[in-house]
Amino acid sequence: RKEVEQDPGPFNVPEGATVAFNCTYSNSASQSFFWYRQDCRKEPKLLMSVYSSGNEDGRFTAQLNRASQYISLLIRDSKLSDSATYLCVENRMDSSYKLIFGSGTRLLVRP
Amino acid sequence: DVKVTQSSRYLVKRTGEKVFLECVQDMDHENMFWYRQDPGLGLRLIYFSYDVKMKEKGDIPEGYSVSREKKERFSLILESASTNQTSMYLCASSLVAGADYGYTFGSGTRLTVV
Repeated sequence: RKEVEQDPGPFNVPEGATVAFNCTYSNSASQSFFWYRQDCRKEPKLLMSVYSSGNEDGRFTAQLNRASQYISLLIRDSKLSDSATYLCVENRMDSSYKLIFGSGTRLLVRP
Repeated sequence: DVKVTQSSRYLVKRTGEKVFLECVQDMDHENMFWYRQDPGLGLRLIYFSYDVKMKEKGDIPEGYSVSREKKERFSLILESASTNQTSMYLCASSLVAGADYGYTFGSGTRLTVV
C-alpha cells in the first residue's frame, strides 16, 4: 500500500463547479500535510498547508480528518486556470523529516 | 522569493555516459533534495542533504550519487546513465527539513537517455 494515495482522475468539471479531492495516508501519527499544485511540465508549487484545524484560502479549503486518515481539498467556483495536477503531501515529522508525495489528482476545468 | 535553479531544462545523453545535474539555491537553505518524477509513480526521493558535505540516501539511490561541496549547490550524478533513468528530475530546498514551509522546487530537468 502506498503511504499517500490519491485518485489519479482526471476530474473533468465545468467552470464554476465545486470539486473535491481526497487523499488517504497510512501513518496515523502524521499531523501535518500540504497540497501542492503542478502544471503540465512544470515544477510543483505549494498551494497550502493542512493541520488539524484545516485551512482556507479564498476558493480553496483543505481539511484533515485524523480519525479516518484522509485530507481533502475543496475548490469552489472552479476557474479554467485551476486545471492542473494536485499533489497531496505528508510531512513525515520523524527523524527523517521527509515529505511523502502522492502521485497526484488531475483536474480539468472546461469552459 | 527563494529561487532554486537547475542548470538544464532538457538533456539527452547516451547510455553509459556520466551525467551531472546541477542545482543551486539562493536563500541559504540548509536542506536540499533530489527527486525523480515518473507518470503514475509520483515523486520519489533519490538523495538529500542537510548540510555541506553531508548526504543521505532516499528511497531510490541506486545508480546515483550526489555532491554538496558548498551550501548553495547540490549536484546529482548518474555514474553510468541507463535508459531506465529517463525521467524528470526535480531539485528542492527547504529552510527546515520537511517542516511548516514545505519545499521550493526548481523547474526540473527532463533527462532522456538513449
